[in-house]
Amino acid sequence: RKEVEQDPGPFNVPEGATVAFNCTYSNSASQSFFWYRQDCRKEPKLLMSVYSSGNEDGRFTAQLNRASQYISLLIRDSKLSDSATYLCVVTLGGKLIFGQGTELSVKP
Amino acid sequence: DAGITQSPRHKVTETGTPVTLRCHQTENHRYMYWYRQDPGHGLRLIHYSYGVKDTDKGEVSDGYSVSRSKTEDFLLTLESATSSQTSVYFCAIREDRGGDLNYGYTFGSGTRLTVV
Repeated sequence: RKEVEQDPGPFNVPEGATVAFNCTYSNSASQSFFWYRQDCRKEPKLLMSVYSSGNEDGRFTAQLNRASQYISLLIRDSKLSDSATYLCVVTLGGKLIFGQGTELSVKP
Repeated sequence: DAGITQSPRHKVTETGTPVTLRCHQTENHRYMYWYRQDPGHGLRLIHYSYGVKDTDKGEVSDGYSVSRSKTEDFLLTLESATSSQTSVYFCAIREDRGGDLNYGYTFGSGTRLTVV
């Protein structure tokens, strides 16, 4: 079993749609949680950290459920510029562990 | 933003030759990492460093070695490159932002390595 698993993609949605990404992690000792965004052939960039209390940044909302070992990302009113691969990331023992990523394509 | 640069950005090399990739940071962060990214596998940790001369293996360390003789540089060496090491290599640093477990991770722009 992979340490971090994400929904398989790709997700193809129209502009303005709401899209949700799900992620589970296998090690309950995982310490910190993030969503990264990666554009084609570029480096991953931090989208947002994820906290148990949930956090929101504009159109983006992230949730963490430690009991279920589950992380989510909700994008509302999706834009063409949201097209990218979204990576679920956890830290364990000082190391970043990545999910395989879910590709999002937002169409006009 | 943390200053982190990777060199070279692109490299083509022949099977069996040694290759060294460089990661340079400008802000004296203690933790540095090397990842490779391949289709179907996501980013996988090769080696990481938690200080000068302090390094440890990641999940895909076979065929790779690293060195960190200065805080600012973390070198990844393929002693004898193989075609299976064709990949995109990313370096990352961990930035301490104060408070318990309050870290940020920033990636370099990547090195595209092709072994022919």
